[in-house]
Amino acid sequence: EAQVTQNPRYLITVTGKKLTVTCSQNMNHEYMSWYRQDPGLGLRQIYYSMNVEVTDKGDVPEGYKVSRKEKRNFPLILESPSPNQTSLYFCASRMTGGLRTEAFFGQGTRLTVV
Amino acid sequence: DQQVKQNSPSLSVQEGRISILNCDYTNSMFDYFLWYKKYPAEGPTFLISISSIKDKNEDGRFTVFLNKSAKHLSLHIVPSQPGDSAVYFCAASYNFNKFYFGSGTKLNVKP
Repeated sequence: EAQVTQNPRYLITVTGKKLTVTCSQNMNHEYMSWYRQDPGLGLRQIYYSMNVEVTDKGDVPEGYKVSRKEKRNFPLILESPSPNQTSLYFCASRMTGGLRTEAFFGQGTRLTVV
Repeated sequence: DQQVKQNSPSLSVQEGRISILNCDYTNSMFDYFLWYKKYPAEGPTFLISISSIKDKNEDGRFTVFLNKSAKHLSLHIVPSQPGDSAVYFCAASYNFNKFYFGSGTKLNVKP
C-alpha cells in the first residue's frame, strides 16, 4: 500500500530535549516536505526537499532541522524544542519530474512541549 | 501575513444541496491552486486542483472556480453528502515547491 508513515504519532517532551520525528514514504517520490498545523493558521510549510541531499526552507523553518540522506526518509529534528513548537506536524511526499502532482500526507504527529 | 485566507471557519449545509467553500489569496505570482480534505486524526487528502491558465476544473461532484482578477477561488460540491463533512484547506503555489495553505473551513453536511 502506498503510504507516508510518521513516527511517533504522539509525543510529549520537555523544553530543550532534542527530538526527531521520522517520516518515510514507499512511493519512490523525489519531493518531501514538513508542515505544522496550528488553530487559525492552517498548515505552514517548515522545510522541503527536492531530492536526496537537496533541502530548502519553507515558511517557518526557525527551530527545525531536516536531513535527506535517503530518498525514502525525511526526518524532522528539533534540537532544542520550546513550547511554541507544540503543534500537529505532517509530512508529505509527491512525484516531481516536471509533473504537477498532488502530495500524499502522513497521518500526523501531535507534539506537546512542556 | 497569510497569503492564502479562508474567511469562513465553518459551513453547515443540508444533504443534497450545494456547498460553496471560498478562498482568497494575495500573491499574484501563484499559478497553481489545490483543495485538500481532512478528516479528524488523518492527514489531508488531495481533492482537486486548478492551474492559473484555467478558470474552472470539474471532477465528479467537485468543481473549482478561479477568478484571477479577484484573487479568489471557490470549491463547489454538488450534491453535498454527509461523508463530505470534513475540514477543507485551499493551498496555492508559484513554483510547486513552496505551498501556502489557508486556515481551513469545517464543512458539516446535515442528513
